[in-house]
Amino acid sequence: SQTIHQWPATLVQPVGSPLSLECTVEGTSNPNLYWYRQAAGRGLQLLFYSVGIGQISSEVPQNLSASRPQDRQFILSSKKLLLSDSGFYLCAWSVKGGTEAFFGQGTRLTVV
Amino acid sequence: GENVEQHPSTLSVQEGDSAVIKCTYSDSASNYFPWYKQELGKGPQLIIDIRSNVGEKKDQRIAVTLNKTAKHFSLHITETQPEDSAVYFCAGSNYQLIWGAGTKLIIKP
Repeated sequence: SQTIHQWPATLVQPVGSPLSLECTVEGTSNPNLYWYRQAAGRGLQLLFYSVGIGQISSEVPQNLSASRPQDRQFILSSKKLLLSDSGFYLCAWSVKGGTEAFFGQGTRLTVV
Repeated sequence: GENVEQHPSTLSVQEGDSAVIKCTYSDSASNYFPWYKQELGKGPQLIIDIRSNVGEKKDQRIAVTLNKTAKHFSLHITETQPEDSAVYFCAGSNYQLIWGAGTKLIIKP
């Protein structure tokens, strides 16, 4: 069966520090991968999606970047965190074709 | 591009009553409409979905209806229970999921 792992679960980082959140998927190959943010605790804002290794599409301009070094690995990064980067970050995957998305448990990021 | 609007943003119902959440979409090519439930501090999970060749689908206390002509779909929860309290998201998809803004459902004891 397929599983998605996202870590860490919580993170407190000072302003200006770097960020690296990692997400891995098991039990499937060539998935679509997504990073979402919930800044207000409700709405899902799509940040990045990837249809393959090295292929990243950015939905909104921001202080963040994403990379997909391996087929089932998706990384969210920042060189210098801002207070406004605080939020709940979710990784998700789906098979090609826009059907069900499977979410990780999320990372609660607090920038102080 | 596709746009999905979801209403209401907050819904409070008495335990045992029914709850209805509505979504409208703009892209007539959308053919897949899932509903997700997100409990506090967790990722959303699929609870029910419907495809454009079906008008209604039920799973115990949960049902989804789709009106393709009007381009809207709804989630119906009957006999609500405290554990139904959560944030619910609708989405529409032709190739990629486009999400509604979410509805916070509160079940009052």
